[in-house]
Amino acid sequence: EAGVAQSPRYKIIEKRQSVAFWCNPISGHATLYWYQQILGQGPKLLIQFQNNGVVDDSQLPKDRFSAERLKGVDSTLKIQPAKLEDSAVYLCASSHGRTFGYGYTFGSGTRLTVV
Amino acid sequence: KNEVEQSPQNLTAQEGEFITINCSYSVGISALHWLQQHPGGGIVSLFMLSSGKKKHGRLIATINIQEKHSSLHITASHPRDSAVYICAVSTSGNTPLVFGKGTRLSVIA
Repeated sequence: EAGVAQSPRYKIIEKRQSVAFWCNPISGHATLYWYQQILGQGPKLLIQFQNNGVVDDSQLPKDRFSAERLKGVDSTLKIQPAKLEDSAVYLCASSHGRTFGYGYTFGSGTRLTVV
Repeated sequence: KNEVEQSPQNLTAQEGEFITINCSYSVGISALHWLQQHPGGGIVSLFMLSSGKKKHGRLIATINIQEKHSSLHITASHPRDSAVYICAVSTSGNTPLVFGKGTRLSVIA
């Protein structure tokens, strides 16, 4: 079974620039999560999708972050404009939610450095 | 609000030592996950459990639901075990995981 695919693996941008991350979840996983992990901390949920609808985006800084999952499969997370404090690893995860443990699977993450 | 606490925050061990990492949580859960994160960011799921004990190779995970506590043990530790180990819990339904801050393990040859 293919895992959760994320790209790019690394990205370096200057502050005030824009950046986009892409995630392809495991086939059949209805739920998709974007997490932000700042160095030394545990991941923090940014947004949760159920199919193509948003379940929870309460911690997404909506003035600069946006995310979409148009067809209920792939998702993109965008930051515009980026700030220095956005430097972090952005993790995508998916789950099927049908059985115990819900099949949580994580992507390899995108490491963003804002300079 | 569910809090997940891990200890220790940092751990340095000599190769071959037996290692224990602890995790405590504050509310009822449906499952607890132990995750491994190597430098570079990717997270790998090691275990998912709701009761008892699971073993995979040199790794053992236990959970006590009544005490809201779980432990991850590594026997005969090796430098390649060096990573951050994260405890995370799911409460119910398709809810996001609540993560601990992680334990940074360094195993020295």
